[in-house]
Amino acid sequence: GAVVSQHPSWVICKSGTSVKIECRSLDFQATTMFWYRQFPKQSLMLMATSNEGSKATYEQGVEKDKFLINHASLTLSTLTVTSAHPEDSSFYICSASGRSGADTQYFGPGTRLTVL
Amino acid sequence: AQRVTQPEKLLSVFKGAPVELKCNYSYSGSPELFWYVQYSRQRLQLLLRHISRESIKGFTADLNKGETSFHLKKPFAQEEDSAMYYCALSASGGYNKLIFGAGTRLAVHP
Repeated sequence: GAVVSQHPSWVICKSGTSVKIECRSLDFQATTMFWYRQFPKQSLMLMATSNEGSKATYEQGVEKDKFLINHASLTLSTLTVTSAHPEDSSFYICSASGRSGADTQYFGPGTRLTVL
Repeated sequence: AQRVTQPEKLLSVFKGAPVELKCNYSYSGSPELFWYVQYSRQRLQLLLRHISRESIKGFTADLNKGETSFHLKKPFAQEEDSAMYYCALSASGGYNKLIFGAGTRLAVHP
């Protein structure tokens, strides 16, 4: 149990376009979802925390207008990278937990974004 | 500032040798510490957490508040232990807002 999926697993887009990444909890209700970013050979950096039905809380330095997060249901959160640029190319990973985050975080497989 | 430091990028050992992956943290409050593991081509998964005081796959980790450390240990490494290991700190209690270290790649050779 406790499986988290992400779609797509990889995406290539042109500079200036927007890309949406989905994160789904397949067999549990995720009250809280987290979005991380991982550069090559570096650690995961938390971008934002989203609770179902409320606005996401962004970490310092993360542009909320660039990285739009929606958590409309207990099983789905989306991250939209708006007007993507090459420097946005990265590995984006989501995690999900129940009980308002006070529970184990289960991680998705990640989405590799390449912006040309 | 909250920070997790894993000083070794790579730890290479032979099968059967003891393993210790180092983790030091900086946090002014009461920390919650975790070890996550990522096997090749797999997603990140929780290995163990300090509040459980459990042993998973032969690994243990003890929180040492005096030394602000949470080193991961295993007495006899196995080849299947080869993976990327991340130490993480929960900044606000529970499992919220994990702050990850840079990770240590463990390579266990036959």
